[in-house]
Amino acid sequence: GENVEQHPSTLSVQEGDSAVIKCTYSDSASNYFPWYKQELGKGPQLIIDIRSNVGEKKDQRIAVTLNKTAKHFSLHITETQPEDSAVYFCAAIPGHSNYQLIWGAGTKLIIKP
Amino acid sequence: GAVVSQHPSRVICKSGTSVKIECRSLDFQATTMFWYRQFPKQSLMLMATSNEGSKATYEQGVEKDKFLINHASLTLSTLTVTSAHPEDSSFYICSATGTSGRVALDPEQFFGPGTRLTVL
Repeated sequence: GENVEQHPSTLSVQEGDSAVIKCTYSDSASNYFPWYKQELGKGPQLIIDIRSNVGEKKDQRIAVTLNKTAKHFSLHITETQPEDSAVYFCAAIPGHSNYQLIWGAGTKLIIKP
Repeated sequence: GAVVSQHPSRVICKSGTSVKIECRSLDFQATTMFWYRQFPKQSLMLMATSNEGSKATYEQGVEKDKFLINHASLTLSTLTVTSAHPEDSSFYICSATGTSGRVALDPEQFFGPGTRLTVL
């Protein structure tokens, strides 16, 4: 079945610098790749997503890139701010799935003031 | 945007009692709902998938008689933890996808704020 690996598990960056989180997936038929931000004690919130027919998508300070050949996708956050501190999860929906998300293990992002 | 609510946000109960958690889609028709549990510092673990009007499909290792899921309407799903024990203490999160009018929302899933269950 589909497997999603996420790195790093913890990322600490200086405020104002960029942060990059990477994920790889195993099912080449996967077609939807969302990124979620989860703050302590809250449910995940979708911050950006990308579909398999697109290579890159940007929304203000957040961007996601997808390399279908290599089966990996990355989250890029520029000009990081203290409120970006949270746990970020990548996910993928396999080609055969009824919208079931396969989750990465999560990355704890720490923004140092 | 599509909004999902959960109730209660926190519940503390005695061992052996049953607890019901509600998940509601506030402004869209939730044809498919998902229930997850999450342990501290871990990823979300899918427990079951339910389609409105049908029986839930449980993931391997999840006891269907212990975690009762009902999805009887397009806006409400409930998870009942029966005869709860301390090992059932966890953060339970629901998500939903479906339609808003004629617009299909899938594959995007909208998550509730979660319910913290503590079993004493």
